Amino acid sequence: GESVGLHLPTLSVQEGDNSIINCAYSNSASDYFIWYKQESGKGPQFIIDIRSNMDKRQGQRVTVLLNKTVKHLSLQIAATQPGDSAVYFCAERGKLIFGQGTELSVKP
Amino acid sequence: GAVVSQHPSRVICKSGTSVKIECRSLDFQATTMFWYRQFPKQSLMLMATSNEGSKATYEQGVEKDKFLINHASLTLSTLTVTSAHPEDSSFYICSARSAGWYNSPLHFGNGTRLTVT
Repeated sequence: GESVGLHLPTLSVQEGDNSIINCAYSNSASDYFIWYKQESGKGPQFIIDIRSNMDKRQGQRVTVLLNKTVKHLSLQIAATQPGDSAVYFCAERGKLIFGQGTELSVKP
Repeated sequence: GAVVSQHPSRVICKSGTSVKIECRSLDFQATTMFWYRQFPKQSLMLMATSNEGSKATYEQGVEKDKFLINHASLTLSTLTVTSAHPEDSSFYICSARSAGWYNSPLHFGNGTRLTVT
């Protein structure tokens, strides 16, 4: 069946470093992807999205890269801050199938 | 931006009772809302799609008689956990799309922590 998964369940980075969170998907027909950030005890918060006609999209301190050939997308966070500590999910548009999430911890 | 409000944020109930959770879109109309369930350290699991004015569509394995969904207006969907049991304890989250839903992100409520004793 369809799935959206993440390579690593946890990621620990030093404050100020860049973070890269990866996600793989299985449905080659998927044409819209979203990254969400979920802080403890809260609902997911939209970060950035990308459509399949794009390879890269940039936001404020965040960049999403989409590689349709290998069905992989990544979220890059520049100059990671303690406030970035959360669980990050990728999701595809369809039924909003969520990956397992990557818990990002930022060390001061 | 689009805001989704969920109420209550926390609820504790006794086994056998029913609990209603409300999900409201505050500044937009949502013909479709979604209900998710999340266990600790796990991802969100889609339970059902709530459609305004019609029956909800439930995902495989989700008991529709157990989790009653009502979407009576364009801004309100409710999830009622009937005859709750301790295994129903979880974090329930709703979401909605603001417009042109096919190509826009979901906006999520802040979740409801249900504890069944």
